[in-house]
Amino acid sequence: QVTLKESGPVLVKPTETLTLTCTVSGFSLSNARMGVSWIRQPPGKALEWLAHIFSNDEKSYSTSLKSRLTISKDTSKSQVVLTMTNMDPVDTATYYCARIVWETYYFDYWGQGTLVTVSS
Amino acid sequence: SYELTQPPSVSVSPGQTARITCSGDALPKQYAYWYQQKPGQAPVLVIYKDSERPSGIPERFSGSSSGTTVTLTISGVQAEDEADYYCQSADSSGTYPDVVFGGGTKLTVL
Repeated sequence: QVTLKESGPVLVKPTETLTLTCTVSGFSLSNARMGVSWIRQPPGKALEWLAHIFSNDEKSYSTSLKSRLTISKDTSKSQVVLTMTNMDPVDTATYYCARIVWETYYFDYWGQGTLVTVSS
Repeated sequence: SYELTQPPSVSVSPGQTARITCSGDALPKQYAYWYQQKPGQAPVLVIYKDSERPSGIPERFSGSSSGTTVTLTISGVQAEDEADYYCQSADSSGTYPDVVFGGGTKLTVL
């Protein structure tokens, strides 16, 4: 059974750096055909893809947020970490991690999401 | 990056057919995917590679593609189908793929 679970702070202050962890089970981060993505959704708004990483360490970032994002993985811990610098209230959103399929780039399993609020 | 355009809302009566469209210049070259999201829940994949249905998704969900537009069709809509629906694709023309979501369509079952 494939599961993904996000963890991290529920509240961050403006200008701080957000660090989120996605812990996966039911598949390995060394699987060549699978990777992990981060996607966010501001309250009442649409989904927005942020970044993904594959087993060969191929990484891709949203063009609009690339300068603020870093994605990495620890295969032994089955964890993928996303950092986002210089947080702003507009970054308030539910952050999801999801499994992404190689070459076709779609999301077949999603975590439950974690709401991050940016406020002083 | 390119954009995917969806109508903000679609309304249908129970038992009718709902059609939700998604338009984008890259869709003739790239697959489209559809997700259903109910309030307070994570999205669920309902269609992949334009028209394939994952296991466990009811047969009333189907997808099609024509030129720059893809369509999610829900036949015999049920009250439980009321949700937000998002299309998604990936622009692979660059060094690394750029993943894009549409703005979402709220399906209301009258």
